[in-house]
Amino acid sequence: QVQLVQSGAEVRKPGASVKVSCTASGYTFTSYHMHWVRQAPGQGLEWMGIINPRGGSPTYAQTLQGRVSMTRDTSSNTVSMELNNLTSDDTAVYYCARDGTFCGENCYLSYYFDFWGQGTLVTVSS
Amino acid sequence: HSALTQPRSVSGSPGQSVTISCTGTRSDIATYNYVSWYQHHPGKVPKLIIYDVTQRPSGVPDRFSGSKSGNTASLTISGLQVEDEADYYCCSYAATFTGVFGGGTNLTV
Repeated sequence: QVQLVQSGAEVRKPGASVKVSCTASGYTFTSYHMHWVRQAPGQGLEWMGIINPRGGSPTYAQTLQGRVSMTRDTSSNTVSMELNNLTSDDTAVYYCARDGTFCGENCYLSYYFDFWGQGTLVTVSS
Repeated sequence: HSALTQPRSVSGSPGQSVTISCTGTRSDIATYNYVSWYQHHPGKVPKLIIYDVTQRPSGVPDRFSGSKSGNTASLTISGLQVEDEADYYCCSYAATFTGVFGGGTNLTV
């Protein structure tokens, strides 16, 4: 069965960086893109970006450009999201979420999320 | 890209139907049939209930249905049940390989 297992909760000071990982199992890792989504306390879901496990440049939300980077490691079926220069506004639960579109040589992504990681709480506090 | 617009809250009685709207722009909902909906119970992981505007994943009851007209997508839940009480989010592809969520709607049953 498809599983996305994320790394544990993190606490950081303002200005620091955090890296959250997401390890996939139960499917062919390179056949499905991965998104990152976050939810701040009392707020809605926010799309952060998408990465192709086969390679190429990720696409990030404009609001996070310059502070976020997403990487993948096909040897361990893991995608990671690093967010830099943290502020209290970055306190949130961070989710990895698989795009439901199967990708062969070419694909047209539907940008829907069929499986989610369990979430990782990142707290930014001085 | 601005968030899609959803009503903050809706309510209904058990057995009734409710519809949640999700309004976007020409850059997202109006142009692409890539609208999805998620049910989110507090403290749990969001659950996909509709994708590609109208499609239901296996295991999602047919009480949940989706539609779209112009730049507005809608989620209809018929035969409301107490367990349907949750937050609901729409999401759309928004061109240039980005996605955008709605602000979320709290459903009270």
